[in-house]
Order: sequence, then C-alpha cells, then structure tokens
Amino acid sequence: GAVVSQHPSRVICKSGTSVKIECRSLDFQATTMFWYRQFPKQSLMLMATSNEGSKATYEQGVEKDKFLINHASLTLSTLTVTSAHPEDSSFYICSAGPVAPNTGELFFGEGSRLTVL
Amino acid sequence: QKEVEQDPGPLSVPEGAIVSLNCTYSNSAFQYFMWYRQYSRKGPELLMYTYSSGNKEDGRFTAQVDKSSKYISLFIRDSQPSDSATYLCAMKGSQGNLIFGKGTKLSVKP
Repeated sequence: GAVVSQHPSRVICKSGTSVKIECRSLDFQATTMFWYRQFPKQSLMLMATSNEGSKATYEQGVEKDKFLINHASLTLSTLTVTSAHPEDSSFYICSAGPVAPNTGELFFGEGSRLTVL
Repeated sequence: QKEVEQDPGPLSVPEGAIVSLNCTYSNSAFQYFMWYRQYSRKGPELLMYTYSSGNKEDGRFTAQVDKSSKYISLFIRDSQPSDSATYLCAMKGSQGNLIFGKGTKLSVKP
C-alpha cells in the first residue's frame, strides 16, 4: 500500500512550547490530508481536513489558532501545536489521500505521541 | 446516537478461533466501509475496504456490509496471536474523511 511518513514518532516538550509534526506522502500526491487525535482507549477523532494550497477546515471544538495546519505541497502537511499544555498530550495521526479516486482508501502515518510536561 | 458504534471489548479468543467484529452506523449515506488494524502505539493499518453492500474476502479476513441493517462485520478465520490488536471500523464521510468506531481490542491466546 501507499506510504505515509510521520515525524517525529515521539516528542516530549515543556508546557508553553510549540511542537511541529510533519506528515509526508512518500509515493503518491495527497491532495487532502487529515489530522486525527487519539486519546488513550478512545477512537480517532478528526481534528481538521487539509487541502493542498488552501486553509484547513477544522472540526467543531478544535482551536485553529492552537493547532496550526499547513499543507504547502502535495506531499507534505504539518501540524503545529502552539503553546502546548498537558491536556494536549495525545497521539496525533495524519492520513493522506486519495490514493485512488472515488474510493475510501486513506493511509495513515505511524502517529506522533506528544507528551507535554 | 453516535454515527458509528463499536463494542470496545476486550475480546479474548483462543488461537484458531473464528473472530467476529461488528459495527453499526446511523448514516444511510455511507458508501465506503473500512476495517483498520491498530497495534499498540502505532498508526492504523488498512485491512479491508468495501463499497456498498456485500462481502469481500482477503485471505483469512472477510468483510461484510449489510446496508439495510446498517451493520458491518469483519471475520477472522484461524486467528493467530499476531492478530492481537485493536480493530477499528470506519466509514467515509462526506468530506472524504473517515469516521471511526471506538475500536475493539482483540487478544488471541496461544
């Protein structure tokens, strides 16, 4: 299947600092990338939808000024958690697609575990 | 009512058993249905996807969709300890994003 690379896989930061997570589609061009957050024992919750070259669309309850998303190219999207707080500690996962038109196939990165001290 | 409902388990079975995992959903507009497998601390891995109703088989895995009942299933035959993971059902939303169930944690005991 298609490969989506996410970096870093694990990051620990101090409260108040900003953290950037990168999501890359390695062998296909992703017009759309999705950012999810997953708390322990919970399902993946969509945070925002990112289309290349345009502003991201955020889900209700997700602060766009806190979670900055940039999708500057067809192979790279970044999520920056600004002024991180301990409650932002979570597993962040990106997915990219479409791999093939009109299918539901999305491929996921390995995820980034953020711990805010 | 949540859009996608999935029993979180945990589900524990002996090696070689047939495993049945299920989800129900409320939005009749869903057309694409997926099953993802997620190992601990890893991103989800696409196992199977199905369009509309019907069955799809891939090796030991069979996915079934019953749109009339808004019910999807994943069957795993001859389950192996390596199948131990969390299995998430997902449906494609109107924006192309995926709407996930909570995931069912499966443990296959040797």
